[in-house]
Amino acid sequence: DTGVSQNPRHKITKRGQNVTFRCDPISEHNRLYWYRQTLGQGPEFLTYFQNEAQLEKSRLLSDRFSAERPKGSFSTLEIQRTEQGDSAMYLCASSPSSTYGYTFGSGTRLTVV
Amino acid sequence: ELKVEQNPLFLSMQEGKNYTIYCNYSTTSDRLYWYRQDPGKSLESLFVLLSNGAVKQEGRLMASLDTKARLSTLHITAAVHDLSATYFCAASNTGTASKLTFGTGTRLQVTL
Repeated sequence: DTGVSQNPRHKITKRGQNVTFRCDPISEHNRLYWYRQTLGQGPEFLTYFQNEAQLEKSRLLSDRFSAERPKGSFSTLEIQRTEQGDSAMYLCASSPSSTYGYTFGSGTRLTVV
Repeated sequence: ELKVEQNPLFLSMQEGKNYTIYCNYSTTSDRLYWYRQDPGKSLESLFVLLSNGAVKQEGRLMASLDTKARLSTLHITAAVHDLSATYFCAASNTGTASKLTFGTGTRLQVTL
């Protein structure tokens, strides 16, 4: 297993377009998290899945954002009608419920022009 | 709402010297994490501190936790250039699905 995988690594999109990111967690990890990190800041929590159930969403996650984790495996994060303020690094992390460790992916850097 | 503050935000260090980064959190937290991030890269886990008085060391880095003071420190001994990076602390509560609340980070620059 090679860790948490995120695709694409970079995405440049025009304002108003929709974008989708994918996260493949470590296979035995049942918890999956999405975070957003803007330049010079720490990551901010967006949403959390335990298996396929989305159990918590941050107030940061406006109605333009949606996340899914079908069958409790990979997850997708979609942003509709992108705005310049959505430009950030989107990080995915996974963890097993039995321990306290988190493994972060390399992130998807989104630039909205 | 759990809030995490780090200081300093930027630290210019001389090689060979010792320094400490401080991490304060606002409400009871049962776990404290330290991460390292290199420019344009993701987060690398350094330490997980689970109880009051916990101390962990790896190479030139040592982290400690004082839950009564709601304070964690990351101590750097005899800094070397390879330690240049941004360091984040993060706290979590079991009642909040274990999500992490991060500090704003401390950018460390080690110079000769």
